[in-house]
Amino acid sequence: EAGVVQSPRYKIIEKKQPVAFWCNPISGHNTLYWYRQNLGQGPELLIRYENEEAVDDSQLPKDRFSAERLKGVDSTLKIQPAELGDSAVYLCASSLISDGAFFGQGTRLTVV
Amino acid sequence: GENVEQHPSTLSVQEGDSAVIKCTYSDSASNYFPWYKQELGKRPQLIIDIRSNVGEKKDQRIAVTLNKTAKHFSLHITETQPEDSAVYFCAAFHGSSNTGKLIFGQGTTLQVKP
Repeated sequence: EAGVVQSPRYKIIEKKQPVAFWCNPISGHNTLYWYRQNLGQGPELLIRYENEEAVDDSQLPKDRFSAERLKGVDSTLKIQPAELGDSAVYLCASSLISDGAFFGQGTRLTVV
Repeated sequence: GENVEQHPSTLSVQEGDSAVIKCTYSDSASNYFPWYKQELGKRPQLIIDIRSNVGEKKDQRIAVTLNKTAKHFSLHITETQPEDSAVYFCAAFHGSSNTGKLIFGQGTTLQVKP
């Protein structure tokens, strides 16, 4: 069974530029999370989807971050414009409802 | 608010000794508690979990205990080995099945000295 797939693995951009991350969850997993992880810290939830519905986006900085999950499968997370403080690893995870989440490899974003 | 506190932040043990990591959660309705292991530069990996209808669960050298009254749960690793060295995260599922979310602790860096 394929795991959660994310792309790209690494991204370096200049501040004020846009960036997008893509995630393909495990087949059959209705729940999809986007987390941000800074060095030495735990994953911080940005948004959670149940199928195509964002059921919790309270931690998503909506002035610059947006996400979508069309057709309830793949998801994209976008930042526009990026700031220096956005540098982090962006992790996508999927699960069955209220079950353990399985993580992708993450996208390491560096904003310069 | 929703919160998961994890202690200690770092833990160093001698190979063969036991290691214990503790977490507390704030939402009494939380019903699912997974533990993750993250090696340097890699993704968090689910290693064990426990649901609120169970007090203890064991899988070989690792075990998790849950005290719902006190709202805390712990990870126990026995006979530690150097390959157990990693960052460990606890998490708690806050809220209902449809609208809840998985909240993580800040992590514990475990070092097992040979």
